[in-house]
Amino acid sequence: SAVISQKPSRDICQRGTSLTIQCQVDSQVTMMFWYRQQPGQSLTLIATANQGSEATYESGFVIDKFPISRPNLTFSTLTVSNMSPEDSSIYLCSVGQGQPTYFGSGTRLTVV
Amino acid sequence: KQEVTQIPAALSVPEGENLVLNCSFTDSAIYNLQWFRQDPGKGLTSLLLIQSSQREQTSGRLNASLDKSSGRSTLYIAASQPGDSATYLCAVIPYSGAGSYQLTFGKGTKLSVIP
Repeated sequence: SAVISQKPSRDICQRGTSLTIQCQVDSQVTMMFWYRQQPGQSLTLIATANQGSEATYESGFVIDKFPISRPNLTFSTLTVSNMSPEDSSIYLCSVGQGQPTYFGSGTRLTVV
Repeated sequence: KQEVTQIPAALSVPEGENLVLNCSFTDSAIYNLQWFRQDPGKGLTSLLLIQSSQREQTSGRLNASLDKSSGRSTLYIAASQPGDSATYLCAVIPYSGAGSYQLTFGKGTKLSVIP
């Protein structure tokens, strides 16, 4: 199994600012994933982050809005840039090549 | 495009009842299926993983089945307890053959177990 530490657990931010979410894994992993869960909705994949390469973004998500870093095999960050109230969501990182997939505890972001 | 549907969206049962949560998916070409539990405002806890070649998996009071040909999975919870109250999410990894392990989620079933 994998243990994932994600922080911050929650934050309230002003619109127009940026927030960086950190995800630390207790073992080396090839792939890390970032998901968004909007209020009342299920999880949607934002991007896949592999160490040493650019993140791969899903349709509807762009690097300028959600830049991702993956400096090594145990760590990744997701930045939510130029925030608006529509960015209020739970953001989660996950690891695991389906055997199974493990999730961090999530970051609850509220933009005011 | 794979779509995952969970029925019902919400369920309320008295403590001690056995219950079944349903999950259906549109494309049977899946790598595996996973059931998660999510407590309010929290991350996801993995409950059961069923490989595409398997029919069911069991863990304690939980039993998950998979019928790939019909695109269905069920999560059976025996002797429900108030601590089982949470949202249960079903997710599949499509078999893309390209080494992509992203999950496609249903919207979940919100379970309330009444003492």
